[in-house]
Amino acid sequence: DTEVTQTPKHLVMGMTNKKSLKCEQHMGHRAMYWYKQKAKKPPELMFVYSYEKLSINESVPSRFSPECPNSSLLNLHLHALQPEDSALYLCASSQLRTGVASGANVLTFGAGSRLTVL
Amino acid sequence: GESVGLHLPTLSVQEGDNSIINCAYSNSASDYFIWYKQESGKGPQFIIDIRSNMDKRQGQRVTVLLNKTVKHLSLQIAATQPGDSAVYFCAVVNSNSGYALNFGKGTSLLVTP
Repeated sequence: DTEVTQTPKHLVMGMTNKKSLKCEQHMGHRAMYWYKQKAKKPPELMFVYSYEKLSINESVPSRFSPECPNSSLLNLHLHALQPEDSALYLCASSQLRTGVASGANVLTFGAGSRLTVL
Repeated sequence: GESVGLHLPTLSVQEGDNSIINCAYSNSASDYFIWYKQESGKGPQFIIDIRSNMDKRQGQRVTVLLNKTVKHLSLQIAATQPGDSAVYFCAVVNSNSGYALNFGKGTSLLVTP
């Protein structure tokens, strides 16, 4: 299995709703990522988990709450979002070797969850 | 922080021609570079990578060139096909300081018949 699966594919929510985005991979990758992508823009890093521990938070507002229940799953909990949070949310995973010769940083991306906040 | 940019936001080529997509980066400590392709409605897909100890790497119909002196890399696609139409991103990383990718702005490649 060489895929990253994201659900739901589309989500519409109001500003007072609580929802979650889910991501799953079975490649044995020990790093998992959340990226946010606005239309016609590159993906922007939000969070990185390594060995199920949060290792990078790119100053993301607390209305986005990541969770890594185990090495295969990554969630993004959403609460009190704003319309400007509407975007494509991409999950990715990678191995965790380091160093120039390792090719460690090839991320495998899911197809994304398209979020619309009304 | 890292600044990764592209010289040309859109590129239109005829089917069968070669395409060249360029990318400039600012951090001289960057040592690993990846090209991704993103089709409409999909996540980015890995195309080819290159490490800083190399200046050229070839794949199937694609070649990546790295010029560390001027901090520039390019993606060459030979015999461009309609299925190559997509947005192409370069991504860079300094593997000593982290492993998360910093993406460039993207080039939209349109292949016309």
